[in-house]
Amino acid sequence: DVKVTQSSRYLVKRTGEKVFLECVQDMDHENMFWYRQDPGLGLRLIYFSYDVKMKEKGDIPEGYSVSREKKERFSLILESASTNQTSMYLCASSLGRANTGELFFGEGSRLTVL
Amino acid sequence: GNSVTQMEGPVTLSEEAFLTINCTYTATGYPSLFWYVQYPGEGLQLLLKATKADDKGSNKGFEATYRKETTSFHLEKGSVQVSDSAVYFCALTLLNTGFQKLVFGTGTRLLVSP
Repeated sequence: DVKVTQSSRYLVKRTGEKVFLECVQDMDHENMFWYRQDPGLGLRLIYFSYDVKMKEKGDIPEGYSVSREKKERFSLILESASTNQTSMYLCASSLGRANTGELFFGEGSRLTVL
Repeated sequence: GNSVTQMEGPVTLSEEAFLTINCTYTATGYPSLFWYVQYPGEGLQLLLKATKADDKGSNKGFEATYRKETTSFHLEKGSVQVSDSAVYFCALTLLNTGFQKLVFGTGTRLLVSP
């Protein structure tokens, strides 16, 4: 069964802390994505990657960075967490450019920044 | 720009009622259209899709028809069950951009009572 695994379901951090959210997929997918999900705003794309060591900014990259050192792993980094980054973070993956747009999602990581 | 507009929820229905969740889109090209579903505590999963005008996507009793003339992709089900309670997201992707990024609507929560 295909799987996207996010390392932490719930995190509580303090303002100014550095936060790492990890995502691993076992489907050999080229593309990986980080979204944040907020009530009334739906899903907004933070960053995506279509190959190892490649990354592209999404719609709301400010305050975030990413790392993709291996094909199966895509990490989201909050260099200095702020309260407005309290949210649900969703990782997703998909096949290469020929794919018809189906994304496979992890269960999400709910981050609270105090 | 490209965007998706969904009806606001929550939509509250009794079991066996008919369901419609409206979705309209704005796109500069010829998008593919999707409905994703998020069950409580889980990530999103693809429910159905349609890639060209007049196509009908269907799955698990849900249907949606790609209407180019009205730029709509409304989700319907003839008889809902309690287990259909979830958040439903309409989305589009433009494959002619060479890379499939999904643009999501804000989501519509469906609550089905026994």
